Amino acid sequence: GQQLNQSPQSMFIQEGEDVSMNCTSSSIFNTWLWYKQDPGEGPVLLIALYKAGELTSNGRLTAQFGITRKDSFLNISASIPSDVGIYFCAGQRTTDSWGKFQFGAGTQVVVTP
Amino acid sequence: DSGVTQTPKHLITATGQRVTLRCSPRSGDLSVYWYQQSLDQGLQFLIHYYNGEERAKGNILERFSAQQFPDLHSELNLSSLELGDSALYFCASSVGDLHEQYFGPGTRLTVT
Repeated sequence: GQQLNQSPQSMFIQEGEDVSMNCTSSSIFNTWLWYKQDPGEGPVLLIALYKAGELTSNGRLTAQFGITRKDSFLNISASIPSDVGIYFCAGQRTTDSWGKFQFGAGTQVVVTP
Repeated sequence: DSGVTQTPKHLITATGQRVTLRCSPRSGDLSVYWYQQSLDQGLQFLIHYYNGEERAKGNILERFSAQQFPDLHSELNLSSLELGDSALYFCASSVGDLHEQYFGPGTRLTVT
């Protein structure tokens, strides 16, 4: 089952609005990754975070590694139609083998004109 | 294009059969990971290889096995297939254990 709690499960927003989603856990993580997946395609890496408190941007995307190391946030500013897709967080717990990532269930984003 | 290739793209087979999925990592990447994605389970980690050696196992069934070859490509073998094995199977690669993973386009397996 899912080790990470990702929310919201889905979002219906208007073009131009900002989007926020997050992943939380009771475990401590040493790495957070954020991916976007289009239907029938493989997940595409958006942002990687390696330090608590780290704030990283990739264009209109901004992600943060929570200071408690138990959560991470992804924001999309000024959404456009091509932002449609499923966004996944993935985290590597400090108690897991290196390379073993837990994935959130995904946030489905729908953008309407 | 992530640089990770997977073949075949689609596979339709019958219950009880055995299939092999193939993955070539990005140039220079030593780690290969296999994931299963089904509608009701999300992305599930199966297994991780680093430079030919198994590094970590997830929820991989005993009917499934994998290996990474000296040229670093990897194969995932699924045997005694059941209807519930129908899913998207993704391969991902990374430089090492601590680095971000890049996913291939996936193989869609349908077991009838």
